[in-house]
Amino acid sequence: KQEVTQIPAALSVPEGENLVLNCSFTDSAIYNLQWFRQDPGKGLTSLLLIQSSQREQTSGRLNASLDKSSGRSTLYIAASQPGDSATYLCAVLIQGAQKLVFGQGTRLTINP
Amino acid sequence: DTEVTQTPKHLVMGMTNKKSLKCEQHMGHRAMYWYKQKAKKPPELMFVYSYEKLSINESVPSRFSPECPNSSLLNLHLHALQPEDSALYLCASSQLHGEKLFFGSGTQLSVL
Repeated sequence: KQEVTQIPAALSVPEGENLVLNCSFTDSAIYNLQWFRQDPGKGLTSLLLIQSSQREQTSGRLNASLDKSSGRSTLYIAASQPGDSATYLCAVLIQGAQKLVFGQGTRLTINP
Repeated sequence: DTEVTQTPKHLVMGMTNKKSLKCEQHMGHRAMYWYKQKAKKPPELMFVYSYEKLSINESVPSRFSPECPNSSLLNLHLHALQPEDSALYLCASSQLHGEKLFFGSGTQLSVL
């Protein structure tokens, strides 16, 4: 059974810092991995999707990497801003399966 | 138009009521989803429609009844709910199943 773990559960950093959020998964037979952002009481916004054949994806200040063999993904946020404060979730789609398996999320707070 | 629109945003209902949640997208996506999310937890998949046909039912109780009238619309009919069904209900869509997900803002449901 695929399990997805995100560490840390919560993170608080001052504005301007570069930071890394971690995601690990137990079954390397994945189809893709997505990183989402969720603001309180709102829906999820897909930030980056990495196919199993890819190593990384970039969008603006965000960079996500994927290492299938070690079962790890990281989301790098450069020059953090208070508007980046949100919960970040990673989710994997297992090959042959039809549903995403989500991690529990990392609650990120950027302090001005 | 890259939005998934959900109505209503908030809903309070009694255990004997019948209500419906609505979801609409105009991105030409052929896969649509219902998720349930409890506070501080990741979303849990309920149903998947692919090409307007129900392809996944995650053993959801029959008091939840999904409907896909056409490729742009997804409904969730609610009847005889329990207080523990109170949650944020999220609709999502993707071009095809397994691709990047676009989420709506959700319906916050309270069952009294």
